[in-house]
Amino acid sequence: LAKTTQPISMDSYEGQEVNITCSHNNIATNDYITWYQQFPSQGPRFIIQGYKTKVTNEVASLFIPADRKSSTLSLPRVSLSDTAVYYCLVGSYNFNKFYFGSGTKLNVKP
Amino acid sequence: EPEVTQTPSHQVTQMGQEVILRCVPISNHLYFYWYRQILGQKVEFLVSFYNNEISEKSEIFDDQFSVERPDGSNFTLKIRSTKLEDSAMYFCASRGGLPGAPLHFGNGTRLTVT
Repeated sequence: LAKTTQPISMDSYEGQEVNITCSHNNIATNDYITWYQQFPSQGPRFIIQGYKTKVTNEVASLFIPADRKSSTLSLPRVSLSDTAVYYCLVGSYNFNKFYFGSGTKLNVKP
Repeated sequence: EPEVTQTPSHQVTQMGQEVILRCVPISNHLYFYWYRQILGQKVEFLVSFYNNEISEKSEIFDDQFSVERPDGSNFTLKIRSTKLEDSAMYFCASRGGLPGAPLHFGNGTRLTVT
């Protein structure tokens, strides 16, 4: 299974763009990359998913280089409510098991 | 938007007792999962379930744990003889059948073993 590595924590200010990078050097051909957000005492919430290149939705963008060994979650103009833990998940759909890494604790300051 | 629901939100039990945590996955989903999160730690995979049988399980999922889909809507996790170290948030998740379909999580059951 592809192991993921993320920064433990990041600080930002309201209104800034935040980029969180995840390394997944041994990602397999069939693996997808998914990002989740988790607030205290809540379940992980799906943000965005991609396989290659760039994906954008109403809340975030996901950049995946050609070698797929890393991915970057981009949150435009963060607010205080974006303070949460962000997890990168590389999904093994062949084996139907998905492991979370340690996540990145994002702290947005006023 | 359809969501995964879990009951109860909080369960307190005494050590050695059996508990059953319940989940209602999203209705057209085919794959089901249980995860746990000990306070302050990361989310840990326990088990995946498809076509009425376990697909994969982690080393955490030992003989004291079992899962069941007793009817067409519920998905349960049973812990046979709870230990203090079983105290954690337990999250249920489900996903659809298309390749790459993401997991959708419930808001969890907080299990406290005293």
